[in-house]
Amino acid sequence: GAVVSQHPSRVICKSGTSVKIECRSLDFQATTMFWYRQFPKQSLMLMATSNEGSKATYEQGVEKDKFLINHASLTLSTLTVTSAHPEDSSFYICSAIMTGQAYGYTFGSGTRLTVV
Amino acid sequence: GQNIDQPTEMTATEGAIVQINCTYQTSGFNGLFWYQQHAGEAPTFLSYNVLDGLEEKGRFSSFLSRSKGYSYLLLKELQMKDSASYLCAVSPFSGGYQKVTFGTGTKLQVIP
Repeated sequence: GAVVSQHPSRVICKSGTSVKIECRSLDFQATTMFWYRQFPKQSLMLMATSNEGSKATYEQGVEKDKFLINHASLTLSTLTVTSAHPEDSSFYICSAIMTGQAYGYTFGSGTRLTVV
Repeated sequence: GQNIDQPTEMTATEGAIVQINCTYQTSGFNGLFWYQQHAGEAPTFLSYNVLDGLEEKGRFSSFLSRSKGYSYLLLKELQMKDSASYLCAVSPFSGGYQKVTFGTGTKLQVIP
């Protein structure tokens, strides 16, 4: 089946630095990828929709200048958390849909970000 | 807007049957997902219901009533490894790549 690889799985960074998270679709093309954030004991909250070759669409309340999304190819989307603060510490998960498939989002393994 | 409700926690005994309910009120509806999520891991797909009725997949079954805005996930012959959070999520429109809204999840604990 479709596999989405997300890297890194865990990262600890200092406050004020930037962190890049990669999401790759393996063996399939994904014109659209989604980025979610999940705080402890809470559900997945959609942050943005990443479209290959165009600007990402951000959800209300998500700062586009802070969470930079680049979907440069049909198999790779990146999320960069800029000037990270401790409140950005969370579980970040990407998902992708195989081109031509209407449902069955495949999730990456997630990235646990801790900002100290 | 989207409003999805599920119980926060449930406990069930190994070998038993458990039903996890989900009710939704959404501005648009095409189908409902169920996902399983173990602690610290990403969700994994269990089912997607579009039509009313029960769909069975091995030990897991999912039911949908569109008129009632109601779904449930039925887990039979519970195993310890079924301890996880179960998320229901609504897909608002058919076709294309639409945003999915997740419920807060039901944390299921299976006890011996």
